Amino acid sequence: RKEVEQDPGPFNVPEGATVAFNCTYSNSASQSFFWYRQDCRKEPKLLMSVYSSGNEDGRFTAQLNRASQYISLLIRDSKLSDSATYLCVVTDISNFGNEKLTFGTGTRLTIIP
Amino acid sequence: DAGVIQSPRHEVTEMGQEVTLRCKPISGHDYLFWYRQTMMRGLELLIYFNNNVPIDDSGMPEDRFSAKMPNASFSTLKIQPSEPRDSAVYFCASSLVRGELFFGEGSRLTVL
Repeated sequence: RKEVEQDPGPFNVPEGATVAFNCTYSNSASQSFFWYRQDCRKEPKLLMSVYSSGNEDGRFTAQLNRASQYISLLIRDSKLSDSATYLCVVTDISNFGNEKLTFGTGTRLTIIP
Repeated sequence: DAGVIQSPRHEVTEMGQEVTLRCKPISGHDYLFWYRQTMMRGLELLIYFNNNVPIDDSGMPEDRFSAKMPNASFSTLKIQPSEPRDSAVYFCASSLVRGELFFGEGSRLTVL
C-alpha cells in the first residue's frame, strides 16, 4: 500500500459548485498534514495546513480524520482559477529518526465555465 | 523577497553526460530539499539538508546522483553519467517551518 494515496481524477466540476476530495495515509503515527496546489507546468505551492480540529481559509476547508487515516479538502463556490492539481502531504518520522515529508501524486481538478 | 532560485530552467543533454543542477534557497531557511517529479511517480524526495548537513539521502536513486550544500545559500544536484530515465523536473525547495516548503520553478531535464 502506498504511504499516501489520492484519487488522480480528473474531477471536472462546473463553476460555482462544491467539490471535495480525500487523501489517505498508511502510517497511523503520521504527525502533520498539508495541502499544496500545483498549476500546470509550475511548482507546488502551499495551500493550507490541516489541523486536528479542522480549519477553514475562505472557500477552502481542510479536515483530518485520524481514526480512518485520511485528510480532506473541500472547495466551495469553485472558481475557474481553482483548476489545478491538489497534492496532499504527510509528515512522518523516518526509520532514521528524522522527519520525512511524503507527497501524494495529486488530484487533478478542472473547473468548467 | 526572492524565492528559491534554480538553474538551469531547461537542460537537454545526451546520455552519459554530466548534469549539474543548482539551487539558491530563501535566505534564513535552514532546510533544503531536492525533489524529482515525473508523471508516473509524482514528486519523490531525493535528499534533504538541515543547516547544510545531509539528513536523509535514502531517496537518491543510485550512486550516479550526488548532492552537496557547501554553504547556506547554495546547493547542487549532480547526475553523472546521465541516463534517459533521469528525464524529469527537478525541484529544489527550502523551508523554515515544518511542512511549509517553498519550491523553486524547477529544472526540466531531458536526457536523450
